[in-house]
Amino acid sequence: LAKTTQPISMDSYEGQEVNITCSHNNIATNDYITWYQQFPSQGPRFIIQGYKTKVTNEVASLFIPADRKSSTLSLPRVSLSDTAVYYCLVGAGGNTGNQFYFGTGTSLTVIP
Amino acid sequence: DSGVTQTPKHLITATGQRVTLRCSPRSGDLSVYWYQQSLDQGLQFLIQYYNGEERAKGNILERFSAQQFPDLHSELNLSSLELGDSALYFCASSVADRGRVGYTFGSGTRLTVV
Repeated sequence: LAKTTQPISMDSYEGQEVNITCSHNNIATNDYITWYQQFPSQGPRFIIQGYKTKVTNEVASLFIPADRKSSTLSLPRVSLSDTAVYYCLVGAGGNTGNQFYFGTGTSLTVIP
Repeated sequence: DSGVTQTPKHLITATGQRVTLRCSPRSGDLSVYWYQQSLDQGLQFLIQYYNGEERAKGNILERFSAQQFPDLHSELNLSSLELGDSALYFCASSVADRGRVGYTFGSGTRLTVV
């Protein structure tokens, strides 16, 4: 399995840019990198997905270096409502099965 | 509203009992996944179905079983319930079962075993 490692927690002030890094040294060639956000007592919500280089959508950017052994989720100008747990998942599904396993995630606290 | 519907939202039952949790996937999604989330265990993958067939199994106990019906809805059956089974149970769905898979989660069923 492509095991992922993230910081357990992070704090940031409102309006700051937040970067959360995930290490996945055993990533396979077919694996995608996907990030999810989870609020208490709610299901995780898909944020962004990428394979290499940089992906940007309306809420976040995902940076993936050439060796793909890590990835960084960037949240621009966070607000209090961004306080949540963020998970990175690595996998390609199918018979590899390694897309299913959520790690401990990073608990982000945004401070006023 | 994510498009994934889970019922019931809350369930309280006694030890030793059996319950059924239901999930309707987002329209067009063929894959259904079940997860258990308790305070000390995080999100635990239980099982996946794709178009009616079991595709992958995770940390699912023998007392638990699931199935996906022809209309693609899925049910998770939990039997001989124990106090430790109290948790949030999430269902997720996706179009495919490999490659660029992105899950859409439901709002969960909170199970309390007393």
